[in-house]
Amino acid sequence: GAGVSQSPSNKVTEKGKDVELRCDPISGHTALYWYRQRLGQGLEFLIYFQGNSAPDKSGLPSDRFSAERTGESVSTLTIQRTQQEDSAVYLCASSFLVGRSYNSPLHFGNGTRLTVT
Amino acid sequence: RKEVEQDPGPFNVPEGATVAFNCTYSNSASQSFFWYRQDCRKEPKLLMSVYSSGNEDGRFTAQLNRASQYISLLIRDSKLSDSATYLCGGAGSYQLTFGKGTKLSVIP
Repeated sequence: GAGVSQSPSNKVTEKGKDVELRCDPISGHTALYWYRQRLGQGLEFLIYFQGNSAPDKSGLPSDRFSAERTGESVSTLTIQRTQQEDSAVYLCASSFLVGRSYNSPLHFGNGTRLTVT
Repeated sequence: RKEVEQDPGPFNVPEGATVAFNCTYSNSASQSFFWYRQDCRKEPKLLMSVYSSGNEDGRFTAQLNRASQYISLLIRDSKLSDSATYLCGGAGSYQLTFGKGTKLSVIP
């Protein structure tokens, strides 16, 4: 079946511009996550959605970052007034179930490679 | 203390060798643990879920030690194709927290 789909796969933007990244999760997966991975670094948690609700936004690096999700479907991550430090791969993942201390496995999309010049 | 910690490596091992990675976690309430494999410039792919009884999938064995709060991954008879970064993940606070990964290079 279809996996997690992200678009665009690559995005080059000028400093100060806004960008919008899109994620289509696996059908039926209620939980959706955004992570950021800088070159040679680990996965940095940004935000997760349970349905269209985002209970924990504490991982978002600054108020320039926002995310929303429509129902249990598409999510968009928006970065306003991009900075060079925002350059990274932004990975979306979805899973069937999430709880306070429990996760079903996450399935990742191919990521969006963002370069801010 | 970071929630999930791994030795970054790199581990350089010859083909056919057995190699083991450990990963420590700080959230004693975590119920779910996973090993992921990430190839260069690719997304992480699930390798194994880790169960409390330990589990094996071919050349790969994963174990969980709750008393010492670590999970391990053992790879037997290493292949060149096993070269990758291995990430461990532990559940906590409605997200999966990952270690920074352990880089493995299998050498001919």
